[in-house]
Amino acid sequence: GDSVTQMEGPVTLSEEAFLTINCTYTATGYPSLFWYVQYPGEGLQLLLKATKADDKGSNKGFEATYRKETTSFHLEKGSVQVSDSAVYFCALSDRNSGGSNYKLTFGKGTLLTVNP
Amino acid sequence: DAGVTQSPTHLIKTRGQQVTLRCSPKSGHDTVSWYQQALGQGPQFIFQYYEEEERQRGNFPDRFSGHQFPNYSSELNVNALLLGDSALYLCASYPTGTGSGYTFGSGTRLTVV
Repeated sequence: GDSVTQMEGPVTLSEEAFLTINCTYTATGYPSLFWYVQYPGEGLQLLLKATKADDKGSNKGFEATYRKETTSFHLEKGSVQVSDSAVYFCALSDRNSGGSNYKLTFGKGTLLTVNP
Repeated sequence: DAGVTQSPTHLIKTRGQQVTLRCSPKSGHDTVSWYQQALGQGPQFIFQYYEEEERQRGNFPDRFSGHQFPNYSSELNVNALLLGDSALYLCASYPTGTGSGYTFGSGTRLTVV
């Protein structure tokens, strides 16, 4: 079945440092890929997405590129801020299952702490 | 515009009891999914409702059941609660056929003692 593996946390960085959170996936068909962010006490917010190979998703300075050849979707940001401290989840959707009604398969999450 | 709203926000139940969690989807959204997020884990798909029918189901026992109403709101019911059912339960809604992603609620924190 589908699965997502993301780097173990926690990750602790200083403000303005470069961030990479690795994510690889296993899926049948052609999944869409997502990064979600969860702030303390809140639900998940979509950070960015990519729907086909070589697509780059970007939002709020974060970027991730859909790499079909390496089955990866690594999250990057050039300069992190304290406000980026949160848990980050990589996810895929099996959009071939049930047509437009798809479900999400998540990784275990990576806790990021950014210190001033 | 209100997003996805869930109630209650927190709940404490005793082993063996039954619980009902509620979800109102974002305006314009007609598909609702439920996810269970155990502490320190990623969310796990429970099931999905569209047009008042269960369309997909994850690897959860029959103790987990749901319902969708004509106004698209949804309930998640869990019978014979176990300690292992303690988790954050997330509801997510989606406008079918638009290609946009899910919007998640803030969740209901269920503690089984």
